[in-house]
Amino acid sequence: DQQVKQNSPSLSVQEGRISILNCDYTNSMFDYFLWYKKYPAEGPTFLISISSIKDKNEDGRFTVFLNKSAKHLSLHIVPSQPGDSAVYFCAASAGNFNKFYFGSGTKLNVKP
Amino acid sequence: GAVVSQHPSRVICKSGTSVKIECRSLDFQATTMFWYRQFPKQSLMLMATSNEGSKATYEQGVEKDKFLINHASLTLSTLTVTSAHPEDSSFYICSAEMDRTSPLHFGNGTRLTVT
Repeated sequence: DQQVKQNSPSLSVQEGRISILNCDYTNSMFDYFLWYKKYPAEGPTFLISISSIKDKNEDGRFTVFLNKSAKHLSLHIVPSQPGDSAVYFCAASAGNFNKFYFGSGTKLNVKP
Repeated sequence: GAVVSQHPSRVICKSGTSVKIECRSLDFQATTMFWYRQFPKQSLMLMATSNEGSKATYEQGVEKDKFLINHASLTLSTLTVTSAHPEDSSFYICSAEMDRTSPLHFGNGTRLTVT
């Protein structure tokens, strides 16, 4: 049973617009969340994180929102750029910061 | 930045043989490494947590005799797929923990094909 779910396998956005990637989780014990970005033939690279004591974390063009009551988090990319085209994974952990459970990923395509 | 090297990137082997995959932290010491498996269009599934100098902790449903993990040093963990079968064909990826408060660093993964 997957504890972290990304229900949209793909997303296509025009350059300059906002990209919103969504992630849902089922385990209420999760208290630390990450977004990773993955290019083909490479390992995931860390993008942004958020702990459960916050509901928003911002880093440049990237903002992660956490809604604990809904067990939902989202990643906003504004403005989207063609170089953002990649697969984005959300991941969650409970207590043990680095024992993560991953979603299945969303492939973002930013069109020029 | 921290680099994790995973080798080989691709391997094709015959059914019944064993395959070893290496995961090295190149510029930091990793007391803990994690091994994942990914099927097409599915999530990275955590297989096991590897701690230097001790036995790996396997996730439920992962056969420890099938997937042997050794973490002999602070910079190297290995995953050996023993007596591989076609259903073991998958993408395997490792990650290394620099410290408990830093994000994980991932290898580039290994595509295993068992014929």
